[in-house]
Amino acid sequence: AQTVTQSQPEMSVQEAETVTLSCTYDTSESDYYLFWYKQPPSRQMILVIRQEAYKQQNATENRFSVNFQKAAKSFSLKISDSQLGDAAMYFCAYLTQGGSEKLVFGKGTKLTVNP
Amino acid sequence: EAQVTQNPRYLITVTGKKLTVTCSQNMNHEYMSWYRQDPGLGLRQIYYSMNVEVTDKGDVPEGYKVSRKEKRNFPLILESPSPNQTSLYFCASSKTSRHSSYNEQFFGPGTRLTVL
Repeated sequence: AQTVTQSQPEMSVQEAETVTLSCTYDTSESDYYLFWYKQPPSRQMILVIRQEAYKQQNATENRFSVNFQKAAKSFSLKISDSQLGDAAMYFCAYLTQGGSEKLVFGKGTKLTVNP
Repeated sequence: EAQVTQNPRYLITVTGKKLTVTCSQNMNHEYMSWYRQDPGLGLRQIYYSMNVEVTDKGDVPEGYKVSRKEKRNFPLILESPSPNQTSLYFCASSKTSRHSSYNEQFFGPGTRLTVL
């Protein structure tokens, strides 16, 4: 079974600085997707960024980028120019393919942005 | 507007009183799923459905039932709720990989359930 580990329960960053959230996963599959979700205080699950395992190029979405290391099974999220609105819980997730379509989530990292 | 809706958004109930949390999507998605979120545990899958009349257990199905009689609806049923089912519940939907190589799961707004 796939597992996702987020080793940082909490992180903090100064406004306008850069922060990196860590995620590692365990799988025997070769084809899969990885995601970062943001959950603000409203509790809504918001997709931040996704990465296809077969793509070597790291995904980027504006201020958000990932460092995907397939061999190391690592998938970290970098937030540049942090803004107060980035404060939230961040979940790393792995999507199984072709079977249950299940998202396997990490336990989350709570990000605080200090003004 | 494409969306997943859940009702109710908040519910306080007592042990043993049957309840249903509804989930509906308007995107004609085949796949629907229920997750529960607990502090320090992330989200865990309860049940999922690959299509109408096709449901299966996720990682934490004990104490829950589901049905999929229509494509758009996927209700979560707690026949005899207990305090350990106090949680935040999310419904999600997507296409299946049979129809698309990438299937973003769209989440509902969540239902906060408290069982006393």
